[in-house]
Amino acid sequence: GESVGLHLPTLSVQEGDNSIINCAYSNSASDYFIWYKQESGKGPQFIIDIRSNMDKRQGQRVTVLLNKTVKHLSLQIAATQPGDSAVYFCAENISGGYQKVTFGTGTKLQVIP
Amino acid sequence: GAVVSQHPSRVICKSGTSVKIECRSLDFQATTMFWYRQFPKQSLMLMATSNEGSKATYEQGVEKDKFLINHASLTLSTLTVTSAHPEDSSFYICSAANGLAGVETQYFGPGTRLLVL
Repeated sequence: GESVGLHLPTLSVQEGDNSIINCAYSNSASDYFIWYKQESGKGPQFIIDIRSNMDKRQGQRVTVLLNKTVKHLSLQIAATQPGDSAVYFCAENISGGYQKVTFGTGTKLQVIP
Repeated sequence: GAVVSQHPSRVICKSGTSVKIECRSLDFQATTMFWYRQFPKQSLMLMATSNEGSKATYEQGVEKDKFLINHASLTLSTLTVTSAHPEDSSFYICSAANGLAGVETQYFGPGTRLLVL
């Protein structure tokens, strides 16, 4: 969905704990989802993606869960490190035709050393 | 992943002047490039999609005569902010994709910070 307001939701996590960042997407026709990490003053960096025919996908220290019934996406980061501090965006896409990626609002992750 | 560069990384200009931002895909041929704008503490908003050799497709509310996009080659797209005003100050980010990997696989540039005085 589109971003509204001037305040990013913030998640503060102790170093070493697991982080869970949630995202609600808007378009039930979306069939491809991506999580991006954006550090201050930089462009987004791809973390992990998932297609709508899956409900879970794992990467290195990260797991994405997809619940199409309630249009919800989550990113789990295991053993959170200070370098994980950034803003995390989910993005949705509809394959085929005019393809564009729509970014969610974003969540700021603060890792407490 | 693929490398996308932007130039300049930051620019300050006077109101009424035009500013050109370059986006280059350094190690692959980008059939499609996207331009986003990001205001502080907000998400990325897609401005336009450009395909090499054809006119850009602008999102609703984005003035095509103000934000000129040229995608003349498979490795270069430019965004020109014409007659810039303070409200155009923002972080402009491009991304590039090639048809082989699917448009979903976008590689983002580092962004260009524009400040209009």
